[in-house]
Amino acid sequence: AQSVTQPDIHITVSEGASLELRCNYSYGATPYLFWYVQSPGQGLQLLLKYFSGDTLVQGIKGFEAEFKRSQSSFNLRKPSVHWSDAAEYFCAVGAANNFNKFYFGSGTKLNVKP
Amino acid sequence: DGGITQSPKYLFRKEGQNVTLSCEQNLNHDAMYWYRQDPGQGLRLIYYSQIVNDFQKGDIAEGYSVSREKKESFPLTVTSAQKNPTAFYLCASSRDTQYFGPGTRLTVL
Repeated sequence: AQSVTQPDIHITVSEGASLELRCNYSYGATPYLFWYVQSPGQGLQLLLKYFSGDTLVQGIKGFEAEFKRSQSSFNLRKPSVHWSDAAEYFCAVGAANNFNKFYFGSGTKLNVKP
Repeated sequence: DGGITQSPKYLFRKEGQNVTLSCEQNLNHDAMYWYRQDPGQGLRLIYYSQIVNDFQKGDIAEGYSVSREKKESFPLTVTSAQKNPTAFYLCASSRDTQYFGPGTRLTVL
């Protein structure tokens, strides 16, 4: 069965520290992978996506993610967190051969300490 | 600007009433989706549509209905059969990537 796991429900980091948010997926087909960010009361904004090619992808707001097929992971990273990065982050997976079904993780809430 | 709009942003419903949430997109996407979001539960798929005049139930379709008469529009009706409708509702559309609207917060009084 297809699923996405984000093992960390809440994470707190200090401003200026590095960040890594974990995402593991289970998917039978070739996956398309996504990270979204959601501020309170807002919709989801796409941070980055991976379809194929270079397994390290760059996104907006200084985020990057690395696809590791052997570990079924797509972890999100940022070298230096800003207070404005406090939000909830969702990992998602879709099928390369079926653009119409997407599966979301349950989200990770990021708090940033001054 | 291309994007997805949802209206209203806030909606209040009395028990026993049906209400309709609007979703419009000008991205020329065939596929559209409705999700429900509750605190701590992530996104749950209500309905999706791959093409005009066709739609499929998602994981939590009971108490909801949709229509897809135009490519740009995918309204969601929350019926009185939905026992716990208070939630944040998100509409999305896609080709190979999902893009989301700003959401509608529905509260039952």
